[in-house]
Amino acid sequence: KQEVTQIPAALSVPEGENLVLNCSFTDSAIYNLQWFRQDPGKGLTSLLLIQSSQREQTSGRLNASLDKSSGRSTLYIAASQPGDSATYLCAVGPLEYGNKLVFGAGTILRVKS
Amino acid sequence: GAVVSQHPSRVICKSGTSVKIECRSLDFQATTMFWYRQFPKQSLMLMATSNEGSKATYEQGVEKDKFLINHASLTLSTLTVTSAHPEDSSFYICSARKGAGRNEKLFFGSGTQLSVL
Repeated sequence: KQEVTQIPAALSVPEGENLVLNCSFTDSAIYNLQWFRQDPGKGLTSLLLIQSSQREQTSGRLNASLDKSSGRSTLYIAASQPGDSATYLCAVGPLEYGNKLVFGAGTILRVKS
Repeated sequence: GAVVSQHPSRVICKSGTSVKIECRSLDFQATTMFWYRQFPKQSLMLMATSNEGSKATYEQGVEKDKFLINHASLTLSTLTVTSAHPEDSSFYICSARKGAGRNEKLFFGSGTQLSVL
């Protein structure tokens, strides 16, 4: 059974700092891995999608890496801003059912101005 | 990007009543939608896969008679929490699948906060 763990559970940083969020998964047989953002009481916004054959994806100040063999992914946020404050969720799509996503519990990020 | 509308965003009901949550794909057709449940500070847990024109597929431990899913059209799936009880209080989120194969993407609704008194 696939399990996804995110570390740290919460993170508070001053504005402008670069930061890394970590995600690990137990079964490397994945179809893809996604990072989402969730604002309080809201739905999810997809940030980055990495296919199993890829090693990283970049969008603006965000960079996500994937090391499938070791079961790890990182989300790097450069020059953090208060507007980045949210919960960041990592989700993996199992190989057999690409979009039956298994989510981590998330990292709550607070960027202080 | 594609838009998925979920309604209502918040509902408070008395124990024993039934609550219906709607999930609509506004600008694309979705043969498959997913329903998730999220407890505070916990992961989203997949409850069921909703397939247009056929019965939903429920995850282990999810009572299909408790959580009724109807996917009668290519743009609408509904989740009905029947005879709701306080333990059903949670945040429910739907997602709709657009595209196929490597081009598949999931788009999420904004969620429904259910509080059962």
